[in-house]
Amino acid sequence: DTEVTQTPKHLVMGMTNKKSLKCEQHMGHRAMYWYKQKAKKPPELMFVYSYEKLSINESVPSRFSPECPNSSLLNLHLHALQPEDSALYLCASSQPTGGRNQPQHFGDGTRLSIL
Amino acid sequence: DAKTTQPNSMESNEEEPVHLPCNHSTISGTDYIHWYRQLPSQGPEYVIHGLTSNVNNRMASLAIAEDRKSSTLILHRATLRDAAVYYCILRYNYGQNFVFGPGTRLSVLP
Repeated sequence: DTEVTQTPKHLVMGMTNKKSLKCEQHMGHRAMYWYKQKAKKPPELMFVYSYEKLSINESVPSRFSPECPNSSLLNLHLHALQPEDSALYLCASSQPTGGRNQPQHFGDGTRLSIL
Repeated sequence: DAKTTQPNSMESNEEEPVHLPCNHSTISGTDYIHWYRQLPSQGPEYVIHGLTSNVNNRMASLAIAEDRKSSTLILHRATLRDAAVYYCILRYNYGQNFVFGPGTRLSVLP
C-alpha cells in the first residue's frame, strides 16, 4: 500500500470542464511534487512545492494550476485541457532536503482522459 | 545537466541474479545515484541510492564504479514480481529537481 494517496484514480473530462486532482500524505514530508507520465514514457516533473511554497514550475501551461493548502495536501486544478494532456498524473513527497539523498514516495497516480 | 543511459530492455530467469547497468559519465562530485522501479499500473517505487560506496538494502544492492561514471543495480534473486521498468536517476540541483531517464524494462521469465 502506498503512503501517498491520490484521488480520483481515473478521471474523464471534456475540454471545457474544470476538475481537480488531489494528493495527500501523512509522513510529515514538506516537499511535494506533481509529475506527468505519458504511456511508455518516464515521468516528467511539473511542479515542486517546498514548505507549501511553489519552488519549481517546469514551464507548465497555465491550464494546470497547482495548490498546496497545507503540508499534507497537494492539489492540481485543471481547466480547458487539451486531448494531449491525457496522461497519468503522479504525486510524490519527500523531505525537503538540501542534500540529494532523500527518496521520493510516489502515489499510484490519477489516469486522466480528455475527450 | 548530468544524464544517464540504460539499456532499453533486459531479460532474466526467475531466481537468478540480475545486473542492471547505468552509465552516467558526466556525473558531478556531489550527485547521488538513485534507482527507482515502476511496476505495471503503479507509481514509481524507491529501490536504493548511493554516493560513492556500494550500498545494500533488503531490495537490492548498488555497485558504484570507482570513478562514479557507471553503476549497477543488483537484484540477487529475481522474482516474477520484479518485472518492472527500472530507472537510474542522478539528483542534481538543490535536491528538488528529479529527471527520469528512459529506464530499462526488465522481464522475468519463469
